[in-house]
Amino acid sequence: RKEVEQDPGPFNVPEGATVAFNCTYSNSASQSFFWYRQDCRKEPKLLMSVYSSGNEDGRFTAQLNRASQYISLLIRDSKLSDSATYLCVVNEDTGRRALTFGSGTRLQVQP
Amino acid sequence: DTGVSQDPRHKITKRGQNVTFRCDPISEHNRLYWYRQTLGQGPEFLTYFQNEAQLEKSRLLSDRFSAERPKGSFSTLEIQRTEQGDSAMYLCASSSQETQYFGPGTRLLVL
Repeated sequence: RKEVEQDPGPFNVPEGATVAFNCTYSNSASQSFFWYRQDCRKEPKLLMSVYSSGNEDGRFTAQLNRASQYISLLIRDSKLSDSATYLCVVNEDTGRRALTFGSGTRLQVQP
Repeated sequence: DTGVSQDPRHKITKRGQNVTFRCDPISEHNRLYWYRQTLGQGPEFLTYFQNEAQLEKSRLLSDRFSAERPKGSFSTLEIQRTEQGDSAMYLCASSSQETQYFGPGTRLLVL
């Protein structure tokens, strides 16, 4: 079983749509959670951290459910420029610095 | 540009050759990480430095791989006797606290 699991997609949505991605993680001791965005053949870039209380940054909302070991990302009013792969990322333990990445969910926003 | 830089950006080599990659982190960051990413997968952790000390190594890091950060600034990753399975994107990241910032990566192709 993978430590961080995501639906690979692709999610094909029209401009203006709302789309949600989910992610589950296996290590209940995980401490920190993030969503990174990766464009084709580019490096991952931090989109947002994910907090237990949930957090919002413009059109993006992230939620964490520790009991279910589940993380979500909601994108409202999708733009063409949102087309990318979205990586769910977990730091499993404060003693470790390594990040554990999911395989990513590909989003394609269409005109 | 004050981000993480990596050199070279692309490397093609023949099986059995040695290759070395360089990473220059963001200048005030004391933590440096190496990851490897293959097509369709998220990055996988290889190793981590705090200043010049290598504090963690993944089991993915076989004996053919060695990483150094001699002065606590730039880092090198060497792969000896390359194999076709080493073909991947090698990503370097740096951080001062929790958030890791990635460089553009070195794309390695072993023929």
